[in-house]
Amino acid sequence: RKEVEQDPGPFNVPEGATVAFNCTYSNSASQSFFWYRQDCRKEPKLLMSVYSSGNEDGRFTAQLNRASQYISLLIRDSKLSDSATYLCVVIGSARQLTFGSGTQLTVLP
Amino acid sequence: DVKVTQSSRYLVKRTGEKVFLECVQDMDHENMFWYRQDPGLGLRLIYFSYDVKMKEKGDIPEGYSVSREKKERFSLILESASTNQTSMYLCASTQPSTGNYEQYFGPGTRLTVT
Repeated sequence: RKEVEQDPGPFNVPEGATVAFNCTYSNSASQSFFWYRQDCRKEPKLLMSVYSSGNEDGRFTAQLNRASQYISLLIRDSKLSDSATYLCVVIGSARQLTFGSGTQLTVLP
Repeated sequence: DVKVTQSSRYLVKRTGEKVFLECVQDMDHENMFWYRQDPGLGLRLIYFSYDVKMKEKGDIPEGYSVSREKKERFSLILESASTNQTSMYLCASTQPSTGNYEQYFGPGTRLTVT
């Protein structure tokens, strides 16, 4: 089993739709969680951290479920500019980072 | 803004050649990383460094070596390039001592080995 798993997609959604991605992790001792965004042919950039209590940044909401060992990213009112690959990142107890393989999102006009 | 630069955006090398990929960051970050990214496999860690002259193997170090002679510079070396090393190589840096684990990435080097 991979340490961090994501549904690769692609997710094709119309503008204005709400879309959610999940990311599961295998190490129950994992400490920190993040979502990164990677545009086509560009480097990954931090989108948001994921806190135990859940957190929101505009149209984006991130949540952590420790019991089931997954994190989620919800995007409301999708924009064309949200089209990208979304990578989840998990930091383990030894502070090593593990990236998921990414979920590809395309928002259609 | 943190800036991480990589020496080349695109590189074409022949099998057996020695290849150097350079990465420089300008924010005095302690930690630097080299990843390769392949379709369906995501980012895989090759090597990382916590300090000058220190290096640690990542998940896929075979066929690679690294050098960190100065804090701002982290080099990835392919001793004898092979076609299965054709990939996108990404360098990143971070400063965890500040409690910030955000990784800042360079623009990537797309290496093709023929």
